[in-house]
Amino acid sequence: GQNIDQPTEMTATEGAIVQINCTYQTSGFNGLFWYQQHAGEAPTFLSYNVLDGLEEKGRFSSFLSRSKGYSYLLLKELQMKDSASYLCAVIGSNYQLIWGAGTKLIIKP
Amino acid sequence: IAGITQAPTSQILAAGRRMTLRCTQDMRHNAMYWYRQDLGLGLRLIHYSNTAGTTGKGEVPDGYSVSRANTDDFPLTLASAVPSQTSVYFCASSHGQDYSEQFFGPGTRLTVL
Repeated sequence: GQNIDQPTEMTATEGAIVQINCTYQTSGFNGLFWYQQHAGEAPTFLSYNVLDGLEEKGRFSSFLSRSKGYSYLLLKELQMKDSASYLCAVIGSNYQLIWGAGTKLIIKP
Repeated sequence: IAGITQAPTSQILAAGRRMTLRCTQDMRHNAMYWYRQDLGLGLRLIHYSNTAGTTGKGEVPDGYSVSRANTDDFPLTLASAVPSQTSVYFCASSHGQDYSEQFFGPGTRLTVL
């Protein structure tokens, strides 16, 4: 079967750094997305990785290791507005997205 | 319109009733998708359309139907609603059907009693 695993919930402190992990087992791999979803709102795009390595975009970075079926999203200099759910999604062999259940990130002052 | 819109925002529906959720995008995207999101589960694809005039089944298509008469509109119909269809429904679109970022509408919160 196809599966994406993320921690259900994480807590971090304002100004700190947090790493949200995502592991996947899918039949085929054509890329991995990270989305942010604030409570009661729609998901919005954060990053896309298709090759191994780190992609940096401002305070957010995303890492991919295809051989390990592993990705992480790194958030630096955390702000209260970063409190949200972070969704990992993999493009499988049929080019449809397979979504993880998301990680709820709680930021404390 | 800017982006992708959905209507209604929320709806309470009696079981057995027919309901159509509307979705319109003005980005001229080729591909459109319908997802449902339930607590503790990831987004699950109901139906998709890679281009106007074509549709396909996703992971959870039973009880739902879609049509894609033109590029902009992608309505989702529940022919006879059941309580298990209580969920938040998101419509999304993307330029292409493969590696493209998906843009999401604001969602429709549907309760079936």
